[in-house]
Amino acid sequence: AQSVTQLGSHVSVSEGALVLLRCNYSSSVPPYLFWYVQYPNQGLQLLLKYTSAATLVKGINGFEAEFKKSETSFHLTKPSAHMRDAAEYFCAVSGTGNTPLVFGKGTRLSVIA
Amino acid sequence: DAGITQSPRYKITETGRQVTLMCHQTWSHSYMFWYRQDLGHGLRLIYYSAAADITDKGEVPDGYVVSRSKTENFPLTLESATRSQTSVYFCASSRGRAEQETQYFGPGTRLLVL
Repeated sequence: AQSVTQLGSHVSVSEGALVLLRCNYSSSVPPYLFWYVQYPNQGLQLLLKYTSAATLVKGINGFEAEFKKSETSFHLTKPSAHMRDAAEYFCAVSGTGNTPLVFGKGTRLSVIA
Repeated sequence: DAGITQSPRYKITETGRQVTLMCHQTWSHSYMFWYRQDLGHGLRLIYYSAAADITDKGEVPDGYVVSRSKTENFPLTLESATRSQTSVYFCASSRGRAEQETQYFGPGTRLLVL
């Protein structure tokens, strides 16, 4: 069965510092992988997704993620954090059966001025 | 373009009462989903629907009922609310079930069961 592990429920970075949010997945089939962002009191919106075209995926707001099959990872990065990046981030993997998309538990990103 | 909307945005109810959460999308997406979001659990799928009159259980369906008589609407009913159903509920939609399809989320409904 597919599963996602997000390392760290809370990450705190200084404004201008590198953002690294970790995601490892388990999948019995070639996966499709997603990062979603949730701003306070809002629904989730897609940041980026990996659909087997290119291993380095660029998303909105300067975020990118690299698919590494050997490490079963899909970590999210941004070179320089902004205050507006403070949000909850969810990694997700395409599912099978009655779960089309399997979400991780989320990582809350705080940005310190 | 309204996209996907949910109502009410906030709801307080009492144990044992029936509650219906509404979800409406304007994209004519085939698939619609209901999730609940709880601290420490992330998002968990309750039910989903592939088309009008086709629904299927997700990970945590117990205590919930759904229907989909029209493509654009996907209401979620708690037949007899319990405190454990206090949560934030999100509706989502996608064009299809293909693994690479993006899901589009509504703003959520915060439900408190007293």
